Amino acid sequence: DTGVSQDPRHKITKRGQNVTFRCDPISEHNRLYWYRQTLGQGPEFLTYFQNEAQLEKSRLLSDRFSAERPKGSFSTLEIQRTEQGDSAMYLCASSLSGGGTDTQYFGPGTRLTVL
Amino acid sequence: GESVGLHLPTLSVQEGDNSIINCAYSNSASDYFIWYKQESGKGPQFIIDIRSNMDKRQGQRVTVLLNKTVKHLSLQIAATQPGDSAVYFCAEISFSGGYNKLIFGAGTRLAVHP
Repeated sequence: DTGVSQDPRHKITKRGQNVTFRCDPISEHNRLYWYRQTLGQGPEFLTYFQNEAQLEKSRLLSDRFSAERPKGSFSTLEIQRTEQGDSAMYLCASSLSGGGTDTQYFGPGTRLTVL
Repeated sequence: GESVGLHLPTLSVQEGDNSIINCAYSNSASDYFIWYKQESGKGPQFIIDIRSNMDKRQGQRVTVLLNKTVKHLSLQIAATQPGDSAVYFCAEISFSGGYNKLIFGAGTRLAVHP
């Protein structure tokens, strides 16, 4: 257990529905990242927060995706009007910047299945 | 549990043998490299890291070797155990731009047989 938690662990939804995932990072970590992982692939970067500011978004993050980190602690990732291609594992990671190697520690992921 | 990496290259070893997992990276400007282990149904777990100014780093039962000339990284696991069975990913990081984005390489499945 890395100390990063994600909820829910599994989500099954019908195409067109909205879903929201939550990530709680390691408490003192100021950086938070979202990744997506499909079967047979390594995680792909989606977006990154430093404290409450969203500083980077991948081109993978379409307009249907939105992420927030309102108080610089937990984060949410919402997918609107889900499509079957959104089925994947959504991973959250956190790190502490400044002075070190900024190692990212991952949560257990949320497995999304869109029917 | 659900499998990660159904079509990944697989390294099969006997329990107690040493394992070597290889990785090629793409960006010669990358400053830092990490090996992650991912078990089925779980997120990637940090194993060991190495900075680009080093060529070798040792941990507990693991050693990472970095060859910048050919952009190659390897993870050596000594006395491999059944609990080492997982998918292993290397990842590279560039510090440029004040932001550290992990770029993961293709994973390798390690299967340890008793």
